[in-house]
Amino acid sequence: KNQVEQSPQSLIILEGKNCTLQCNYTVSPFSNLRWYKQDTGRGPVSLTIMTFSENTKSNGRYTATLDADTKQSSLHITASQLSDSASYICVVSATAGNKLTFGGGTRVLVKP
Amino acid sequence: DTAVSQTPKYLVTQMGNDKSIKCEQNLGHDTMYWYKQDSKKFLKIMFSYNNKELIINETVPNRFSPKSPDKAHLNLHINSLELGDSAVYFCASSQGWGTDTYEQYFGPGTRLTVT
Repeated sequence: KNQVEQSPQSLIILEGKNCTLQCNYTVSPFSNLRWYKQDTGRGPVSLTIMTFSENTKSNGRYTATLDADTKQSSLHITASQLSDSASYICVVSATAGNKLTFGGGTRVLVKP
Repeated sequence: DTAVSQTPKYLVTQMGNDKSIKCEQNLGHDTMYWYKQDSKKFLKIMFSYNNKELIINETVPNRFSPKSPDKAHLNLHINSLELGDSAVYFCASSQGWGTDTYEQYFGPGTRLTVT
């Protein structure tokens, strides 16, 4: 069964600090891994998409890594800002179709 | 301009009623989706249409029926609403469908509350 697990479920960090979110998946066969940011009351917005051959990708202060051998990914947020407060969702796509498996998300709260 | 829009944003209704949620995208995409986000925040795909044809139909009760009048619209009709249908429903679209990496763009969601 395809599954995506994220940790921690939630975390609180001080503005300006860095943090790293984890994602483990069992989706097979693997096509790509995405990180989304979902603000409260809004739809998810894509941050990064990585295929099998990519092991790191950045989008501003967000850097995602992928280890396809261990089936793990991380999302690193550098110099956090109050606007980074949101849920971050790891999503894995299997080959054969554009069907996505979503993790439960990590809720990040950035405090001043 | 809003890329993917949904109406209504909030929907409160009683058990047994029939309701519809509408979705429109102005991105020129070929593929549209309906997702359900439950109280635990997990997003699960319900349906997907590519060029007005149904391509993904997950295990969803028959009370849920999607309709795609054209490539830019995908509506969701729900019959005989039940308490367990309460959730946030998201519409999304992507340029294509298949093994390539197509980014999905999500609408703002429709919060359905069944009382």
